[in-house]
Amino acid sequence: GAVVSQHPSRVICKSGTSVKIECRSLDFQATTMFWYRQFPKQSLMLMATSNEGSKATYEQGVEKDKFLINHASLTLSTLTVTSAHPEDSSFYICSARAVMTGDWGENQYFGPGTRLTVL
Amino acid sequence: QKEVEQNSGPLSVPEGAIASLNCTYSDRGSQSFFWYRQYSGKSPELIMFIYSNGDKEDGRFTAQLNKASQYVSLLIRDSQPSDSATYLCALSSGYALNFGKGTSLLVTP
Repeated sequence: GAVVSQHPSRVICKSGTSVKIECRSLDFQATTMFWYRQFPKQSLMLMATSNEGSKATYEQGVEKDKFLINHASLTLSTLTVTSAHPEDSSFYICSARAVMTGDWGENQYFGPGTRLTVL
Repeated sequence: QKEVEQNSGPLSVPEGAIASLNCTYSDRGSQSFFWYRQYSGKSPELIMFIYSNGDKEDGRFTAQLNKASQYVSLLIRDSQPSDSATYLCALSSGYALNFGKGTSLLVTP
């Protein structure tokens, strides 16, 4: 149980195009989903937190107009990187929180990640 | 800035030995502490979490927490080559997870 999928797993695009990444909780309902970004040899950096049916909360320094997050249902959140540039190339990982009780970290399940390369 | 510090390594240990991974943090309000393992090109997978001071054991893994010293560690007994990965320390203060950069562990046959 508690499986999170991401699609696509890998994407290569040209500079200036937009890329959409989907994150799905396959066997549970996720009231909260998180989006992280990881550059090589670096830690996972939280980009934003999304709650179903409401606007995402972005971390300081993350451009909300560039990284559009939609959490339209309890099983799906999408991250759209608009007008992508080479510096946006990174490993994007989503996670989903299964229940409202308990510590935020304990019930958080990670997707397999999406490798974005912008040429 | 809430810092989570880890030695990047690589930490090299022979097969069968004990690997000791350390993490220090700056936020005294942190309540929960997590260890994740991340293989190259993959997303993190949770190994274990600890909330209270002291030791917590799960199979070959033992997490140790000392809140007074703001220090958390992970011991891996009987290390195997398959344990070679990057180990991420993360903490939570009631919101999302704050990750360290990770320590690279290499277990040599």
